[in-house]
Amino acid sequence: AQSVSQHNHHVILSEAASLELGCNYSYGGTVNLFWYVQYPGQHLQLLLKYFSGDPLVKGIKGFEAEFIKSKFSFNLRKPSVQWSDTAEYFCALGADGLTFGKGTHLIIQP
Amino acid sequence: DGGITQSPKYLFRKEGQNVTLSCEQNLNHDAMYWYRQDPGQGLRLIYYSQIVNDFQKGDIAEGYSVSREKKESFPLTVTSAQKNPTAFYLCASSMFRNTEAFFGQGTRLTVV
Repeated sequence: AQSVSQHNHHVILSEAASLELGCNYSYGGTVNLFWYVQYPGQHLQLLLKYFSGDPLVKGIKGFEAEFIKSKFSFNLRKPSVQWSDTAEYFCALGADGLTFGKGTHLIIQP
Repeated sequence: DGGITQSPKYLFRKEGQNVTLSCEQNLNHDAMYWYRQDPGQGLRLIYYSQIVNDFQKGDIAEGYSVSREKKESFPLTVTSAQKNPTAFYLCASSMFRNTEAFFGQGTRLTVV
């Protein structure tokens, strides 16, 4: 069985702070990895994805993530957050179907 | 305008009644999914389908049923056997099973 674990359920940061959201997965084979974002009142949208190749992937709105195979991790980063980054963030694993983590609720204070 | 359409946005039903949630996509995607989103639980997979006339149970399939008679449609029925049906339901599709998924706006079901 596959699973995704997100370490922080709630994160509060001030504007301009750096962000790192943790994501670990459990699966023994080849994986595809995703980060999705859900802004208040909006539908889920893709931030970035990793299929193969360069383990450092860049997404929309200045987000990036690094795939570390030895650690089964795919952490999301942003050097300087903005108030508009307030949202819920989901890590997802594509292996035997598409499995999501429980999400991290990020609040950015002005 | 391509995308996933879920209807209705809000749905109210009496306890004991079956209810069907609609999901249509015009992206020509092979795979379609139903998820349930509850606060603090993330998205939990109910059913998924890789091709027409085929579907697989997800982690929380009990009390739900689906059909996939057409590529573009994947309706979900919440039956009276589902013990806690009040939730936000999300439909998604992807080109293939493990690739990037596109989501609909969701249906908020309230059972009273």
